Amino acid sequence: GAVVSQHPSRVICKSGTSVKIECRSLDFQATTMFWYRQFPKKSLMLMATSNEGSKATYEQGVEKDKFLINHASLTLSTLTVTSAHPEDSSFYICSARGKPSGRALYEQYFGPGTRLTVT
Amino acid sequence: KQEVTQIPAALSVPEGENLVLNCSFTDSAIYNLQWFRQDPGKGLTSLLLIQSSQREQTSGRLNASLDKSSGRSTLYIAASQPGDSATYLCAVPDNYGQNFVFGPGTRLSVLP
Repeated sequence: GAVVSQHPSRVICKSGTSVKIECRSLDFQATTMFWYRQFPKKSLMLMATSNEGSKATYEQGVEKDKFLINHASLTLSTLTVTSAHPEDSSFYICSARGKPSGRALYEQYFGPGTRLTVT
Repeated sequence: KQEVTQIPAALSVPEGENLVLNCSFTDSAIYNLQWFRQDPGKGLTSLLLIQSSQREQTSGRLNASLDKSSGRSTLYIAASQPGDSATYLCAVPDNYGQNFVFGPGTRLSVLP
């Protein structure tokens, strides 16, 4: 089945530093990738949508200069949290939209998430 | 703007019970609805996808129904097991059809 990976699964960083999270579609090409943020016991909130080779579209209230998204290829998107602060601590989940071999429809497949803790 | 709600927010049941999770959405012009499972600290696992032309989908002990006109979906879990303990999220496409709008989830705890 379609697999989306995220790296790292957990990261702890100091306040003021930047951290990069990778999202990869392992067995299909993703036309679009999405980044979500999830607070404890809350649902997923879309942060931004990215298409390969173009600038990401950010949701209202999400600072694009703080959350840098690069969609370098059809299988890789990265989210960089710049100058991280404790309030950026959260669970970040990516998803990739595509049509894996053998599937009839385009669907969205989710990564396992990355737990970011900023101290 | 599409909004999704889920009831109950949390549910605790003894093992073996049949249970129903509810999902409501405000804009009935959807082309599908999806139920996900999320274990603590983990990503999402897709359980069932119902196309707008369908009324229900079944997978093992899970059955999901969809009533577009009333903006509702239910997830029925038969003979619940402790391994079913997780958060269950329903989601529908946003108004652009590109991404999901998620409900807040139902946290299920099945006690042995």
